Amino acid sequence: QKEVEQNSGPLSVPEGAIASLNCTYSDRVSQSFFWYRQYSGKSPELIMSIYSNGDKEDGRFTAQLNKASQYVSLLIRDSQPSDSATYLCAVKGDTGGFKTIFGAGTRLFVKA
Amino acid sequence: GAGVSQSPSNKVTEKGKDVELRCDPISGHTALYWYRQRLGQGLEFLIYFQGNSAPDKSGLPSDRFSAERTGESVSTLTIQRTQQEDSAVYLCASSLQEYYEQYFGPGTRLTVT
Repeated sequence: QKEVEQNSGPLSVPEGAIASLNCTYSDRVSQSFFWYRQYSGKSPELIMSIYSNGDKEDGRFTAQLNKASQYVSLLIRDSQPSDSATYLCAVKGDTGGFKTIFGAGTRLFVKA
Repeated sequence: GAGVSQSPSNKVTEKGKDVELRCDPISGHTALYWYRQRLGQGLEFLIYFQGNSAPDKSGLPSDRFSAERTGESVSTLTIQRTQQEDSAVYLCASSLQEYYEQYFGPGTRLTVT
């Protein structure tokens, strides 16, 4: 059973701080990794995709991937109240029909 | 360009009735996915289509659920003899190819009374 684990939170950070969201996965052959943001009552929205080890930066967001440790994280710099949402980690392998496994999500609250 | 669209946005049906949900993927996207999300819960994979390959139906919860896709275009998810536990938001997503990121539609909120 392939699994993707996230802390459910809630994670609370003050405005302007760095929010750190973490995700571990069980399938060693996973190839593609994604972070989505989901506001309450809305559908998931893609934030970042990452395919190779290391860091990938996009604006205030940085995704970090460590395949040896089976770990992927998302850092949000200068957190804003509008970042308050549930963040979903998603992992896709190259076996099992390319099915994407989603974590249950981490709820983030950014306090003004 | 246009994103993934789904219809209807809301559907209220009586227990035992059949419902059909529609998804229009982003043009050119070969992969299409259906998910279910119950209130306060995570995404539950239902079915995946990739081009003309046989779909991955491993997530369908029962034989009351079925889905079709014609080529690389529209998909329909059909739920027969709906039950109250089918109440959820049904999300469709598409991706350019199977390795790439998925883009989600707005979802269909199904309520079974």
